[in-house]
Amino acid sequence: NAGVTQTPKFQVLKTGQSMTLQCAQDMNHNSMYWYRQDPGMGLRLIYYSASEGTTDKGEVPNGYNVSRLNKREFSLRLESAAPSQTSVYFCASSESRRTSPLHFGNGTRLTVT
Amino acid sequence: ILNVEQSPQSLHVQEGDSTNFTCSFPSSNFYALHWYRWETAKSPEALFVMTLNGDEKKKGRISATLNTKEGYSYLYIKGSQPEDSATYLCAFHYDMRFGAGTRLTVKP
Repeated sequence: NAGVTQTPKFQVLKTGQSMTLQCAQDMNHNSMYWYRQDPGMGLRLIYYSASEGTTDKGEVPNGYNVSRLNKREFSLRLESAAPSQTSVYFCASSESRRTSPLHFGNGTRLTVT
Repeated sequence: ILNVEQSPQSLHVQEGDSTNFTCSFPSSNFYALHWYRWETAKSPEALFVMTLNGDEKKKGRISATLNTKEGYSYLYIKGSQPEDSATYLCAFHYDMRFGAGTRLTVKP
């Protein structure tokens, strides 16, 4: 049982390049989330999807787009990467929004030069 | 803007000490308060999900209490062990917002 799988684990981009971070869960969870983690700032919510077919902005959505491809998959796209987007990105899922615990992937470490 | 604050930012204790830390959150629009344990080089893992005022949860030596009327939750660790060293996060699930965490270091 893999849980939440994120790819890639590491990525280096040049300013202006684009990329998509992939996330898939095999727990039949309804809700999925993307967070970024920066030193001293904890986890900040970028976007979430409360259920298949819906997406909503979190605290720091600027510079990102998301797609809830199906119930299993939730991708995060950086259209034009900037050095400020250097961070560790975590995908998470939960059975339902708010009252179910989040299950996290192992993270993607992204560096933008 | 709904702020979730945790204190202290970091804590160093000796093995065997008991310790506690605080999570403060807005008392309005309450749905749930989550606690997570985050070890270095790993992903956060859920400890507790608390939904009712006065709720008290326990898992081994770790317990948590919740006061939704005044907007705080306490996490307690009894008889700290080196393996308890981690960052402890709380999340206010009105909007899935996390606090910055309390970094606990337990010295043998």
